[in-house]
Amino acid sequence: EDQVTQSPEALRLQEGESSSLNCSYTVSGLRGLFWYRQDPGKGPEFLFTLYSAGEEKEKERLKATLTKKESFLHITAPKPEDSATYLCAVQDNNQGGKLIFGQGTELSVKP
Amino acid sequence: DGGITQSPKYLFRKEGQNVTLSCEQNLNHDAMYWYRQDPGQGLRLIYYSQIVNDFQKGDIAEGYSVSREKKESFPLTVTSAQKNPTAFYLCASSKGHGYEQYFGPGTRLTVT
Repeated sequence: EDQVTQSPEALRLQEGESSSLNCSYTVSGLRGLFWYRQDPGKGPEFLFTLYSAGEEKEKERLKATLTKKESFLHITAPKPEDSATYLCAVQDNNQGGKLIFGQGTELSVKP
Repeated sequence: DGGITQSPKYLFRKEGQNVTLSCEQNLNHDAMYWYRQDPGQGLRLIYYSQIVNDFQKGDIAEGYSVSREKKESFPLTVTSAQKNPTAFYLCASSKGHGYEQYFGPGTRLTVT
């Protein structure tokens, strides 16, 4: 059964304190791994897609990496506006277009 | 401005009533999806449609129904058979299988 586990559930950082969020996954055949940002009461905002192990994508202070078993979202020198819940999802080659989501990591960045 | 719209933002209903949530997209995407989000849980797929006039059940389709008569529209009906309908409902669309999904702003449904 496809499964996605994110850790930690919550992370508190001081402004400028870099860290990483983890997304571990189990799928029979990975089509793609997706990262989203979700602010309270809003829909998820697409950040990155990763398709194969070794791939990396960057956007401002965020960098996503992928291995065969997990993905990391690295946040460099975060700012308070980076506070949000970060969601990871995988798409299985054998499951049509559906995404399997993890429960998310709630990030809080204090000034 | 291209995007996905959901209406209304908040919806209140009494138990036993059916309710329809609207989802419209002008991104020219073929595929559309409905998810449900509950506190402490990941998004769960209710229904999805990869092409007009065709749709498939997701993981939690019981008590819900959909239609896809137009490419731009994918309404979701929450029926009285849904035992725990109170939740945050999210609609998404994508170019198709393997592409990223883009989400609407969501509808928060409260049933009392």
